[in-house]
Amino acid sequence: SQELEQSPQSLIVQEGKNLTINCTSSKTLYGLYWYKQKYGEGLIFLMMLQKGGEEKSHEKITAKLDEKKQQSSLHITASQPSHAGIYLCGAVINAGGTSYGKLTFGQGTILTVHP
Amino acid sequence: DTGVSQDPRHKITKRGQNVTFRCDPISEHNRLYWYRQTLGQGPEFLTYFQNEAQLEKSRLLSDRFSAERPKGSFSTLEIQRTEQGDSAMYLCASSLVFIRAAEAFFGQGTRLTVV
Repeated sequence: SQELEQSPQSLIVQEGKNLTINCTSSKTLYGLYWYKQKYGEGLIFLMMLQKGGEEKSHEKITAKLDEKKQQSSLHITASQPSHAGIYLCGAVINAGGTSYGKLTFGQGTILTVHP
Repeated sequence: DTGVSQDPRHKITKRGQNVTFRCDPISEHNRLYWYRQTLGQGPEFLTYFQNEAQLEKSRLLSDRFSAERPKGSFSTLEIQRTEQGDSAMYLCASSLVFIRAAEAFFGQGTRLTVV
């Protein structure tokens, strides 16, 4: 089983709709990262969350980390075709200074936005 | 600063051949990570360096794989006697980490196809 579960695995929305992607772990997350990936390309950094209850926004994308630091959500408001791609959450699951940056990833959520 | 750079972007090789990939991190970043990503999955951690020291290797990194980061700058990942199962996207990331988690930025990846 995955240490980091993402849901849904795929999502098809109409342009202008809001959507949420979830990332869940049974373990405490010491750093939660959201990335976007276009097929066949590298990962584009979106946001990093560290503190329980933390919330960050960039343009129309908002990410939150719950108080227990075991679940994060990524919310896109008024989706556009440019938002289409694969969204990946990655997390530092083991505490300790040497572990930071060593990420465990979920399997990704494929987002399709129809114009 | 142009971000994390990887070379080549694509590599097709015959089974049994050796291949080498290069990663140039963001210049001031002290941490460099290698990940492998297969189709439909999130990236999996392979190894990482702090400056020139290789601090951790995943069990995924068989003895056919070797990575170096001479002088703490660029890094190379070599695969000897390639097998079809080595076909994947190889991703490099870098971050500036002292005692806290830090943003990790990825390159465009090297897609390896073993025929």
